[in-house]
Amino acid sequence: DVKVTQSSRYLVKRTGEKVFLECVQDMDHENMFWYRQDPGLGLRLIYFSYDVKMKEKGDIPEGYSVSREKKERFSLILESASTNQTSMYLCASSLGRQRSTDTQYFGPGTRLTVL
Amino acid sequence: AQKITQTQPGMFVQEKEAVTLDCTYDTSDPSYGLFWYKQPSSGEMIFLIYQGSYDQQNATEGRYSLNFQKARKSANLVISASQLGDSAMYFCAMREENQGGKLIFGQGTELSVKP
Repeated sequence: DVKVTQSSRYLVKRTGEKVFLECVQDMDHENMFWYRQDPGLGLRLIYFSYDVKMKEKGDIPEGYSVSREKKERFSLILESASTNQTSMYLCASSLGRQRSTDTQYFGPGTRLTVL
Repeated sequence: AQKITQTQPGMFVQEKEAVTLDCTYDTSDPSYGLFWYKQPSSGEMIFLIYQGSYDQQNATEGRYSLNFQKARKSANLVISASQLGDSAMYFCAMREENQGGKLIFGQGTELSVKP
């Protein structure tokens, strides 16, 4: 079974803090993704990565950065957290874009509250 | 324009009955994949079923089946013999081949199964 884990289920931070959200997958997947989910807005892609040290912007990258130093780990960084970044953050991974199905498997999510 | 449309914000179904969750999509890419995910109140996105644009047969996976009507650009999820544990949010998503591994999600349908 594919296993995607996220470092925290719940996180509370203060405005202006630097926040790290960690995601680890154990299936040697090439692709990794970060989404945020907000009521009424659905899931929106923040950043994704097709390979180690590679990253591409998604639909809403502003205020975020990412790091992928190892294949199994993809970190989302909020350089200076703001209240409008309070949200549910979901990490996902998939085998690789050349595969026809390329199903994304998700972690349990991190509910981040910025006060 | 919305790429993925789920017109039913909420649905009710009696336990043991079948239910259909609607999804329509919009793409000009001839090669694409359609996915359904389930999100229980715990927050994790669980992959249910996949349909490729070139697949001749409708996908089935246990009690889940996908009613794929390519000309109408619809990919409805059918859940047979509903169970109380099926109560959750359900998301339809699409991956276009020319967009690599990126998924586009619909707004979701909240399904409630009544005993």
